[in-house]
Amino acid sequence: AQSVSQHNHHVILSEAASLELGCNYSYGGTVNLFWYVQYPGQHLQLLLKYFSGDPLVKGIKGFEAEFIKSKFSFNLRKPSVQWSDTAEYFCAVNARAAGNKLTFGGGTRVLVKP
Amino acid sequence: EPEVTQTPSHQVTQMGQEVILRCVPISNHLYFYWYRQILGQKVEFLVSFYNNEISEKSEIFDDQFSVERPDGSNFTLKIRSTKLEDSAMYFCASSEEQEKETQYFGPGTRLLVL
Repeated sequence: AQSVSQHNHHVILSEAASLELGCNYSYGGTVNLFWYVQYPGQHLQLLLKYFSGDPLVKGIKGFEAEFIKSKFSFNLRKPSVQWSDTAEYFCAVNARAAGNKLTFGGGTRVLVKP
Repeated sequence: EPEVTQTPSHQVTQMGQEVILRCVPISNHLYFYWYRQILGQKVEFLVSFYNNEISEKSEIFDDQFSVERPDGSNFTLKIRSTKLEDSAMYFCASSEEQEKETQYFGPGTRLLVL
């Protein structure tokens, strides 16, 4: 069975700082990879996704993520965060041979100080 | 932009009672899902539903749980006899035929079993 781990539970940073959130998964087969964001009081929203092709994917709100197959990683980055990026970020994996279900990481709470 | 909606937003129930959580998926979507997140834990897959039948379910989804699409718009999760450990946030999600792997989530129903 696949599993997903996110390295940091909490991250605190100042506006304009760069953000990188780690995500590693364990599954030997082909995967689809996702980052979701949950702003305070709101539902999970899709930030970006990777299915195939260019391993560097760009999402909404200036976020990007890089799939490194050899490291089983899909880290999320943003060069310069804003206060409005305060949210919880979830990495999720879908193992293509295992149906459509998503396996989530534990989430990382990001607090951006103004 | 179309969204998945869920009702109620909060529900408090007594142990042993039946609860029905309701979801309205995005209108042209054909795949439906339920996930839950117990406080402090990961978001966990419960069940997926397609073409009026369950396509996949997790070990959590035992005989106490059932899903139904009673009409053309609603998708429900029923817990027959709630237990304390059923207290969690329940998320509904849906995806479209052409890209079934990408799931769009509702805001969740917070269930508290006393």
